[in-house]
Amino acid sequence: DIQMTQSPSSLSASAGDRVTITCRTSQSIRTYLNWYQQKPGKAPKLLIYFASSLQSGVPSRFGGSGSGTDFTLTISSLQPEDFATYYCQQSYIAPRTFGQGTKVEI
Amino acid sequence: QVQLQESGPGLVKPSETLSLTCTVSGGSISNYYWSWIRQPPGKRLEWIGYISYTGSTNYNPSLKSRLTFSVDTSKNQFSLKLNSVTAADTAVYYCARFSCTTTSCSPEDVWGQGSTVTVSS
Repeated sequence: DIQMTQSPSSLSASAGDRVTITCRTSQSIRTYLNWYQQKPGKAPKLLIYFASSLQSGVPSRFGGSGSGTDFTLTISSLQPEDFATYYCQQSYIAPRTFGQGTKVEI
Repeated sequence: QVQLQESGPGLVKPSETLSLTCTVSGGSISNYYWSWIRQPPGKRLEWIGYISYTGSTNYNPSLKSRLTFSVDTSKNQFSLKLNSVTAADTAVYYCARFSCTTTSCSPEDVWGQGSTVTVSS
C-alpha cells in the first residue's frame, strides 16, 4: 500500500492566517492526490482533486499543488468555518489510502 | 442532487457478520463506482473497497478475505457484508461515489452521512 504522511498533525491559527498543510507519499502518485475537509460528526467533503483542481462550490481560498510524492494544501485566508480536520488521499492505485489528518484549530 | 444513505444495525456481536446497505437517491446507480470507507474512533479514514454498477469489485487486501459487496440496480442500492468481526471493526462506515473515464478515476465526491457500527457482546 502507498503510505501517506501529513504534516503537521495539528496546528493553531487565527482567522485571516495563511495555512499550509503538506502530504508526502511513499512512492510517486503523479498528481492523483485529493484533499478532504472533515468536521466533527460529518462526512469528509472533497476540496481539491488531482492535486490542484478545485471541486465545484469550494471557495477559491483553497488551493493545492504538487506532483510525484510531495503535495501541499494552502488556505490563503483562514475563515471561521475552515476550522476542521484535513485529509489527503491518493487515488493512483488501489487500495486508496489516506493521510492521518491535520487538525486546524484556534 | 444525488444523496447517499447508509443503513444497518448499529451493534454487531464479535464473530458475527456486519451488514450495511447504501441507498442512492436523486440519481441513478448506473455508470458510477461505489466505495465503502470506514473511520475507527480517533483514527484515519480507511478505504474498504468499491463495487461498480456492473458488479465488478475491488477489495482492500487487508479485509478481502472477510468482505463481500453486492449491487442491486433495480433498488438503486449497494451493500457490504463483513464477516467474523472483532472490536477492531468498530467504526463509522461511509458509502461514497466516484466515476471513471477510460484514462482515470475521480476521487469520491459524494458521501453518505455515515453509519456508526459498534462490535461488542
